[in-house]
Amino acid sequence: EAGVVQSPRYKIIEKKQPVAFWCNPISGHNTLYWYLQNLGQGPELLIRYENEEAVDDSQLPKDRFSAERLKGVDSTLKIQPAELGDSAVYLCASSLGSVGEQYFGPGTRLTVT
Amino acid sequence: AQSVAQPEDQVNVAEGNPLTVKCTYSVSGNPYLFWYVQYPNRGLQFLLKYITGDNLVKGSYGFEAEFNKSQTSFHLKKPSALVSDSALYFCAVRDPMDSNYQLIWGAGTKLIIKP
Repeated sequence: EAGVVQSPRYKIIEKKQPVAFWCNPISGHNTLYWYLQNLGQGPELLIRYENEEAVDDSQLPKDRFSAERLKGVDSTLKIQPAELGDSAVYLCASSLGSVGEQYFGPGTRLTVT
Repeated sequence: AQSVAQPEDQVNVAEGNPLTVKCTYSVSGNPYLFWYVQYPNRGLQFLLKYITGDNLVKGSYGFEAEFNKSQTSFHLKKPSALVSDSALYFCAVRDPMDSNYQLIWGAGTKLIIKP
């Protein structure tokens, strides 16, 4: 069974540029999460989807971050414009329901210069 | 407020020796507890979880963890460490009374196994 797929794995952009990350969850997992992880720290939740509905986006900086999960499967996280402080690893995870254990993708390492 | 503490930033163990990575938590109800491992440049991998039942939980790669309600702890253990166990380990807790089902993560413990 394929795991959570993320692309790209690495991205380098200049500040003020837009960037987008893509995630394909494990087949059948209706819950999808986007996390931000800084070096040596635990993940910080940005947004959680139940199917196509964003049920918890309280930690998403909505002035520059947006996300969508059309058709309740793949998801895209966008930053526009990017700032230097956005440099981090962006992790996508999925689970079978909100209570199940989460399975993570390899992450996208974003560097903003 | 819900919280998770991993009191050790780093744990060093000789190969073949037993290892323990500590985790304590604070939640209002009976906790759901998880351990994840992260290898360099990889995403987090689920190791094991405690929801209810036997306090000793067995997981992947020979790891186990013991839920201790009185000490509010969920320490990760392995009887004999391997060099390949070297990685970053995260403890996480969920309060089942939290309608947001949010996972609260510890800061992580770097485990170094020396040959």
